[in-house]
Amino acid sequence: GDSVTQMEGPVTLSEEAFLTINCTYTATGYPSLFWYVQYPGEGLQLLLKATKADDKGSNKGFEATYRKETTSFHLEKGSVQVSDSAVYFCALSSIQGAQKLVFGQGTRLTINP
Amino acid sequence: EAGVVQSPRYKIIEKKQPVAFWCNPISGHNTLYWYRQNLGQGPELLIRYENEEAVDDSQLPKDRFSAERLKGVDSTLKIQPAELGDSAVYLCASSLSGVSSYNEQFFGPGTRLTVL
Repeated sequence: GDSVTQMEGPVTLSEEAFLTINCTYTATGYPSLFWYVQYPGEGLQLLLKATKADDKGSNKGFEATYRKETTSFHLEKGSVQVSDSAVYFCALSSIQGAQKLVFGQGTRLTINP
Repeated sequence: EAGVVQSPRYKIIEKKQPVAFWCNPISGHNTLYWYRQNLGQGPELLIRYENEEAVDDSQLPKDRFSAERLKGVDSTLKIQPAELGDSAVYLCASSLSGVSSYNEQFFGPGTRLTVL
């Protein structure tokens, strides 16, 4: 079945550091890929998405590129801020998978000032 | 526009007791999802509704869990009786309908259940 594997956390960085959170997936067909973020005390929010190979999703300075050849969707940000501290989830959705979201286990990110 | 509304936000019960969670989706969203998120894990789908029909309930533990979506709007998820292992956050999400893997799902804040 479909699955998502994320880089294990927690990840701790200093403010203005470069961020990469790795995500790889296994799916039949051509899934859509997502990054969701969960800030402390809040619900899941969609951060960015990509629906086909080579698409780049971007939002709030974060970027991720849909790489079909490596089945990856790594999240990057050039300069993180304290306010980026949250849990990040990589997820996929496929029609073959009945359109449900399949999530990775999440990566907790802490940014120190 | 209001987002997905869930209640209660927190619930503490003793094992073997029943519990129910309520969800009101975004207006116009015919697809509704219930997910369970265990501590330190990503959410896992329990059930998906298209209007009032449950179209994917393969991951719902039917011996103790039940769900309904009367009139195709609000939904209730029930556990009876609750077990210690049911402690988790129960998330409701909604999206537009249609055969697409790209229908963005919008999540509610969740109900954190603690079973003692």
